[in-house]
Amino acid sequence: DTAVSQTPKYLVTQMGNDKSIKCEQNLGHDTMYWYKQDSKKFLKIMFSYNNKELIINETVPNRFSPKSPDKAHLNLHINSLELGDSAVYFCASSQGLGQDSTDTQYFGPGTRLTVL
Amino acid sequence: RKEVEQDPGPFNVPEGATVAFNCTYSNSASQSFFWYRQDCRKEPKLLMSVYSSGNEDGRFTAQLNRASQYISLLIRDSKLSDSATYLCVVIESTSGTYKYIFGTGTRLKVLA
Repeated sequence: DTAVSQTPKYLVTQMGNDKSIKCEQNLGHDTMYWYKQDSKKFLKIMFSYNNKELIINETVPNRFSPKSPDKAHLNLHINSLELGDSAVYFCASSQGLGQDSTDTQYFGPGTRLTVL
Repeated sequence: RKEVEQDPGPFNVPEGATVAFNCTYSNSASQSFFWYRQDCRKEPKLLMSVYSSGNEDGRFTAQLNRASQYISLLIRDSKLSDSATYLCVVIESTSGTYKYIFGTGTRLKVLA
């Protein structure tokens, strides 16, 4: 009965490869997010979707392309992986857009990406 | 200046101690605030929301000071299981878009 799930949990790949990370939430939430947590543990928003519509697109290289086939799924595809992409990528979801203090985020377990 | 700042620690405290963390935020229009907890190699999990009048949940007390733009978290009677990184989160609104801004976290180690 996992609320927010991600696959894979670990991903080790060579520079230049293309990879995807998948996220699913069974909470019935309308909004989903991708965050990157680097080696200094700083958690930074990359993208957010509300009802399959992109609403936040931070300054992220266009090698990163999110896709939301439906509001329960948000996938992240990364082209031409670079060493600096190594990080933990967290998916999260919330009921609304963050308008009030009850709109908490629930995180997936993370995908630890290592680019060699 | 970072949008949300925290002392990274670590705060090393003995079991049973009381410990407090502060978090400052730069956007005075921020409306919603949270404390999350992140264990090593795990995902962040909500600890508590922070309400304007302050709120308490068991051994944890959160306070908001809008004038000085900071929030605080007080942990009483620390347990070994409280050892974790505590993340301050502020929701900022820009042109109708809401963004959760995370602090870099404060690491707490409770020692036996």
